[in-house]
Amino acid sequence: DQQVKQNSPSLSVQEGRISILNCDYTNSMFDYFLWYKKYPAEGPTFLISISSIKDKNEDGRFTVFLNKSAKHLSLHIVPSQPGDSAVYFCAASARGSNYKLTFGKGTLLTVNP
Amino acid sequence: SQTIHQWPATLVQPVGSPLSLECTVEGTSNPNLYWYRQAAGRGLQLLFYSVGIGQISSEVPQNLSASRPQDRQFILSSKKLLLSDSGFYLCAWSWLGTNEKLFFGSGTQLSVL
Repeated sequence: DQQVKQNSPSLSVQEGRISILNCDYTNSMFDYFLWYKKYPAEGPTFLISISSIKDKNEDGRFTVFLNKSAKHLSLHIVPSQPGDSAVYFCAASARGSNYKLTFGKGTLLTVNP
Repeated sequence: SQTIHQWPATLVQPVGSPLSLECTVEGTSNPNLYWYRQAAGRGLQLLFYSVGIGQISSEVPQNLSASRPQDRQFILSSKKLLLSDSGFYLCAWSWLGTNEKLFFGSGTQLSVL
């Protein structure tokens, strides 16, 4: 049972354009959401997060939007750069989840020069 | 600052052989520790987590085990590897009492042949 879903396995965008990565979740108990970025043969690195009390969080070129009613979040990267090419994982946690993050399967973003 | 070390980076093992992957964290005390696996074409799957020395919780039934002999040391083991154990293994830590941000090691690519 996939509680965090990233339905697009890959996304390709041109440099300078906006990248939008999507994530859906099914567990209504999730109250904290994170995005991680992963390069090949490396561990994921934390990118940005959002609490369920907010609907938007921004950090430089990265913005995460949360739509609780739709159980949907998205990561916007503007402008996209070739160095952003990586796999992006969406993750979620719930109060009382015993210190566990649930990850999606990831989306491979390719930014073309 | 905190650092996490995981080794080896790559490992090729025959079916039926034992496994020992080690992870250590520096610069913090009493961290939560985790082992994740990324199998080909799949997301990050939580295998084990630990909130203290000798305290191990298993997330999925499998051929693997984990131990935490010291506060900042986490070991993933198997007595007899299966082909299905192949994957990218990641150790991670977080601040005690929260899972809101995980810090990952660089990973071990395990190939069981």
